[in-house]
Amino acid sequence: GQNIDQPTEMTATEGAIVQINCTYQTSGFNGLFWYQQHAGEAPTFLSYNVLDGLEEKGRFSSFLSRSKGYSYLLLKELQMKDSASYLCAVMRGGATNKLIFGTGTLLAVQP
Amino acid sequence: ETGVTQSPTHLIKTRGQQVTLRCSSQSGHNTVSWYQQALGQGPQFIFQYYREEENGRGNFPPRFSGLQFPNYSSELNVNALELDDSALYLCASSPTVNYGYTFGSGTRLTVV
Repeated sequence: GQNIDQPTEMTATEGAIVQINCTYQTSGFNGLFWYQQHAGEAPTFLSYNVLDGLEEKGRFSSFLSRSKGYSYLLLKELQMKDSASYLCAVMRGGATNKLIFGTGTLLAVQP
Repeated sequence: ETGVTQSPTHLIKTRGQQVTLRCSSQSGHNTVSWYQQALGQGPQFIFQYYREEENGRGNFPPRFSGLQFPNYSSELNVNALELDDSALYLCASSPTVNYGYTFGSGTRLTVV
């Protein structure tokens, strides 16, 4: 089967750092994605990890440990516009490469 | 380079009716996937089309069907609408089956 777990909600302060964790169990792992989604809008791509380690892109970083089935998204220097839902998604490989999403973590950035 | 466009943006239908949602994939993308996102949930995979053929299906009943056209645009059809079909329907395209997705802004379907 497949299961992706992430916290439902988080709150952080403007200018601070926040880490959003994601654990997963799936067969045919072919990479892990993080998407940002503002209310009523499309998910937008943030990061992709297929090998263990840290990927850094500006204020956003993502980490993957395949042996532990664990990833996190790190957001630095938080801004009010970072208030959104953050979706962890595992690419399940095979004849159909499909993204399996978690329920998302709603991040509220406060002044 | 245009992104993924979906139409309509919002739609209200009555239970039992049929609906067709449309998606134009990003230029150069031959793979289209459809997702259903209920309020407060992550997107759920409906099916994927690759070069006009269905290339995998999630846990959705047969009344959810689709098409992909030679220009790689796609349609999602839902028959016999139920109240629980109310959701945001997302289309995502990718250059090939083994690549990340670009999402459209979605169609908000309300069934009353």
